[in-house]
Amino acid sequence: EAQVTQNPRYLITVTGKKLTVTCSQNMNHEYMSWYRQDPGLGLRQIYYSMNVEVTDKGDVPEGYKVSRKEKRNFPLILESPSPNQTSLYFCATRREDEQYFGPGTRLTVT
Amino acid sequence: RKEVEQDPGPFNVPEGATVAFNCTYSNSASQSFFWYRQDCRKEPKLLMSVYSSGNEDGRFTAQLNRASQYISLLIRDSKLSDSATYLCVVKVGGSYIPTFGRGTSLIVHP
Repeated sequence: EAQVTQNPRYLITVTGKKLTVTCSQNMNHEYMSWYRQDPGLGLRQIYYSMNVEVTDKGDVPEGYKVSRKEKRNFPLILESPSPNQTSLYFCATRREDEQYFGPGTRLTVT
Repeated sequence: RKEVEQDPGPFNVPEGATVAFNCTYSNSASQSFFWYRQDCRKEPKLLMSVYSSGNEDGRFTAQLNRASQYISLLIRDSKLSDSATYLCVVKVGGSYIPTFGRGTSLIVHP
């Protein structure tokens, strides 16, 4: 089954404690991206990657890092999380213009 | 002014009704347009792309009006299962960063 998986699905953490949200896809898509979704703001792209070792900033990259060492994985790293990064995060891949989203990770930073 | 604007609703309609949503965009260089559907606490999924000539998929019809810079989604014979948030997505030609609207909530009641 073609899918995008994210882990963890839910995470509560404290300010400053580094965390990583993993994203993996089995569709062999070159393009992957990360979004955050906040009430009243909609989905905003954090980072995207056109291929292995190629990443670029989206609209809201501050406070986040990504890496793309393998085609199937695209982890999102928060080196020092802050409460304003409390959000619902989605990983996505893309084939042509259609995006396929993972199930989401709900992150709370206290 | 936000680049992509949608009426957040909610649109509350009875089963069988016809309902229409509009989405306006500000960047005249926009070239790709989509409607995504998002169920509560779930990931967005592509509903349909919007072509210049308009397109129809069963009970759903999407239209593009470049002169007035808006796209529309028409749902005929609404079903309870159509209850969701509908996201408008716009992409400028050559850009890898799509812009999402905040979504329009639809509630179909018996």
